Amino acid sequence: EAGVAQSPRYKIIEKRQSVAFWCNPISGHATLYWYQQILGQGPKLLIQFQNNGVVDDSQLPKDRFSAERLKGVDSTLKIQPAKLEDSAVYLCASSPGGLGSGNTIYFGEGSWLTVV
Amino acid sequence: AQSVAQPEDQVNVAEGNPLTVKCTYSVSGNPYLFWYVQYPNRGLQFLLKYITGDNLVKGSYGFEAEFNKSQTSFHLKKPSALVSDSALYFCAVRDRSRDDKIIFGKGTRLHILP
Repeated sequence: EAGVAQSPRYKIIEKRQSVAFWCNPISGHATLYWYQQILGQGPKLLIQFQNNGVVDDSQLPKDRFSAERLKGVDSTLKIQPAKLEDSAVYLCASSPGGLGSGNTIYFGEGSWLTVV
Repeated sequence: AQSVAQPEDQVNVAEGNPLTVKCTYSVSGNPYLFWYVQYPNRGLQFLLKYITGDNLVKGSYGFEAEFNKSQTSFHLKKPSALVSDSALYFCAVRDRSRDDKIIFGKGTRLHILP
């Protein structure tokens, strides 16, 4: 079974530029997550989708971050304009879903962003 | 609000010795509990989880964890550490009575000394 796919793996941009990350979840997984992991910290949830609807985006900085999950499969996370503090690993994850379930969340390898 | 605490930033263990990585949690209802491992420049890999039933949960690579409801803990253990176990370990919790959000601890770096 293929895992969660993410691209690009690494990206270096200048502040105020824009960047987009792509994620393809495990086939059949209804729930998709984007996490931000700053060096030395645990992952922080940015946004959670159930199929193509947003379940939680309370910690997404909406003035610069946006995400979509068209057709309930792939997802794109965009940052525009980027700030230095956005340097982090952006982890996409998916799970079979079902609110309140104990389903395991599976992570991709992450997209490493450096803003200079 | 749900939360997870990993009180140790780093744990050092000699190879062959038993290891413990501590985790405590706080939820309003009953928890689902998870452990993940992260190797350098990699994503998080699932190790094990507690859903219900037996308090001792066995997972990948010889790891196990014990759910203790009275102490609200879910410590990760392994009887005999390997150098290859050196990595960053994350505990996570999801509240059964709430939505599907999973909250992660800040992580504990495990160093196994040869």
